[in-house]
Amino acid sequence: SQQGEEDPQALSIQEGENATMNCSYKTSINNLQWYRQNSGRGLVHLILIRSNEREKHSGRLRVTLDTSKKSSSLLITASRAADTASYFCATAPRGGGATNKLIFGTGTLLAVQP
Amino acid sequence: EADIYQTPRYLVIGTGKKITLECSQTMGHDKMYWYQQDPGMELHLIHYSYGVNSTEKGDLSSESTVSRIRTEHFPLTLESARPSHTSQYLCASSEPNRPETQYFGPGTRLLVL
Repeated sequence: SQQGEEDPQALSIQEGENATMNCSYKTSINNLQWYRQNSGRGLVHLILIRSNEREKHSGRLRVTLDTSKKSSSLLITASRAADTASYFCATAPRGGGATNKLIFGTGTLLAVQP
Repeated sequence: EADIYQTPRYLVIGTGKKITLECSQTMGHDKMYWYQQDPGMELHLIHYSYGVNSTEKGDLSSESTVSRIRTEHFPLTLESARPSHTSQYLCASSEPNRPETQYFGPGTRLLVL
């Protein structure tokens, strides 16, 4: 099965609320990244957290990483309607070498109601 | 938004036709990737390239082929399209100084009838 499993599969919240998405993975990693995908579009890189980091912030985004549990969470604070999109975690497996291959999770579909 | 382009954006074609999906980037990135994504599903890596004249198969077996004659272009070809090839195809690239981060094109939605 895929390296990354995300939950929930879908999340609907009101504008202004916080949204939390979780990602679990199976193997050792060099880093974990979160991407956003608007409907019918390509993915946009949001944030990268390395295996030796536990928490990282970028604007309204907060990412945590627990390598002992092989899990990560993405928190979007004060959500806006424009945050409506699918969010994917992607892991760079340790020993992946020069290819920098990423393994993507199943994604969480976030709907922010105005 | 990254300077990576894919054409066509949408393609509807009959079974047995040969198709080429174009991907080009103007950022001088060495590594490029092709992913296949079914609606609402995860991305699967089908091809990647380290640079010119380098092509490798990805994690998901695909009947498509790729070429990398120039740094900027990484076209994907299906010699004989089938309905099972219906999917979205996403191209990505990464730069030498920050190879972990990939920049994605808008994708090509392919429908094979």
